[in-house]
Amino acid sequence: GDSVTQTEGPVTVSESESLIINCTYSATSIAYPNLFWYVRYPGEGLQLLLKVITAGQKGSSRGFEATYNKETTSFHLQKASVQESDSAVYYCALGGATGGNNKLTFGQGTVLSVIP
Amino acid sequence: ETAVFQTPNYHVTQVGNEVSFNCKQTLGHDTMYWYKQDSKKLLKIMFSYNNKQLIVNETVPRRFSPQSSDKAHLNLRIKSVEPEDSAVYLCASSRDWRNTGQLYFGEGSKLTVL
Repeated sequence: GDSVTQTEGPVTVSESESLIINCTYSATSIAYPNLFWYVRYPGEGLQLLLKVITAGQKGSSRGFEATYNKETTSFHLQKASVQESDSAVYYCALGGATGGNNKLTFGQGTVLSVIP
Repeated sequence: ETAVFQTPNYHVTQVGNEVSFNCKQTLGHDTMYWYKQDSKKLLKIMFSYNNKQLIVNETVPRRFSPQSSDKAHLNLRIKSVEPEDSAVYLCASSRDWRNTGQLYFGEGSKLTVL
């Protein structure tokens, strides 16, 4: 089946430092998966951070970036300078309609703590 | 701003009892989902409904039964809960089943089975 593996947390970074959270995927049931990063801030529901549906493209949002690399089956999340407000749980996910059904496969989540 | 509402947010019960979780979305979406987040924080899809019709039914024990009265509501009933049912149940919606873009999630319903 499909699977997503991401950086084991927790990850602790000082404010203004750079960040990378690794994500690799295996898509056996979807030929051209769509890739997503979701985030859950404290006290809030899971929400979409960014998505990329075309291999080779880069998505960006709130200073975060991720590039869809089909050759290495990766979709790493990066930010040049993190802020304390970025402290949250980040989930990498892949999805795509198979057999008419739409569902997402999530990674295990990475807890990020940003120290002021 | 929250647009997917789940109740209750927390529930503690004994093995063998019945539990129901309710979900409502105000986005006008056609498709709704139930995901389970276990103790290892893995999120796995359980069910998906499109306009009141079941379209995804993963390998889930038969004691779990989803119910949809209209496309804005998707409830989850668990008959005779087991300890392994302790988890956070997340409801979500999307515009339609073909849209593999954004899912909108509720805050979750945490179930503890004693």
